[in-house]
Amino acid sequence: EDKVVQSPLSLVVHEGDTVTLNCSYEVTNFRSLLWYKQEKKAPTFLFMLTSSGIEKKSGRLSSILDKKELFSILNITATQTGDSAVYLCAVEDRSNYQLIWGAGTKLIIKP
Amino acid sequence: DVKVTQSSRYLVKRTGEKVFLECVQDMDHENMFWYRQDPGLGLRLIYFSYDVKMKEKGDIPEGYSVSREKKERFSLILESASTNQTSMYLCASSPGETNTEAFFGQGTRLTVV
Repeated sequence: EDKVVQSPLSLVVHEGDTVTLNCSYEVTNFRSLLWYKQEKKAPTFLFMLTSSGIEKKSGRLSSILDKKELFSILNITATQTGDSAVYLCAVEDRSNYQLIWGAGTKLIIKP
Repeated sequence: DVKVTQSSRYLVKRTGEKVFLECVQDMDHENMFWYRQDPGLGLRLIYFSYDVKMKEKGDIPEGYSVSREKKERFSLILESASTNQTSMYLCASSPGETNTEAFFGQGTRLTVV
C-alpha cells in the first residue's frame, strides 16, 4: 500500500533556529512530491519536486528530493514566529493523478 | 488569485441530518476534490471530479455522496450525518489532468452531535 510518512509529528524551536522536516514515501507510481504549509485552515503550496538532487528555494525555505532513498526534506533557516504551521507533504501518483498525503509536521516557533 | 470558497467555516449538525457542504471555484478548473482532515491521519480523499456531472470515489467515500452540476461548484453530501463524520472538510480545485498545485478552500469544521 502506498504511504507517505512525515517526521517529526511536532517540533518546537526558538526563533532564529534552523529546522529540517522529513518526508519519506513508498509510492509505486511516483510522479512528484509536494510540500504545503497549513496555517489555520487551508494548505498553501510551497514546492513541487520531481527530480533528485535539485534544490528548490524560496526565501528562507528550501527543499530537496532523493528518489533513490525515497525521501524529501524541507529546511527553514532563521525561523520566525510566522513559520509556525503544519507542514504537509504529498506524493502524486502518476497512474491516477491523486495525491497521497502525510499526516503533517506541526511546527511551533517560540519567540 | 485563484479563489476556492467553501460555504461555511463552522457547522454543527445533529446525528441523522442531511448535510450539504458547498464549494465554488472561480478559475474554471476542471478538477475538484473533497478531503477530510483528522489529527494524525493527514488529508484523506473522499471524492473527486474531473468534469461536470462526473465523479469518482476516493479513499473513504462511505457515508458521502457528491454533486457537480456546474463546473465551478462541487457539493459534498452527508446523507445521514454520524458522529464519526465530525472532522475538518477541505475542498480543492486544480486545472488540467493532474491535481498538482491544487488550491484549497478555507475548510469547514463540521461537528455532528
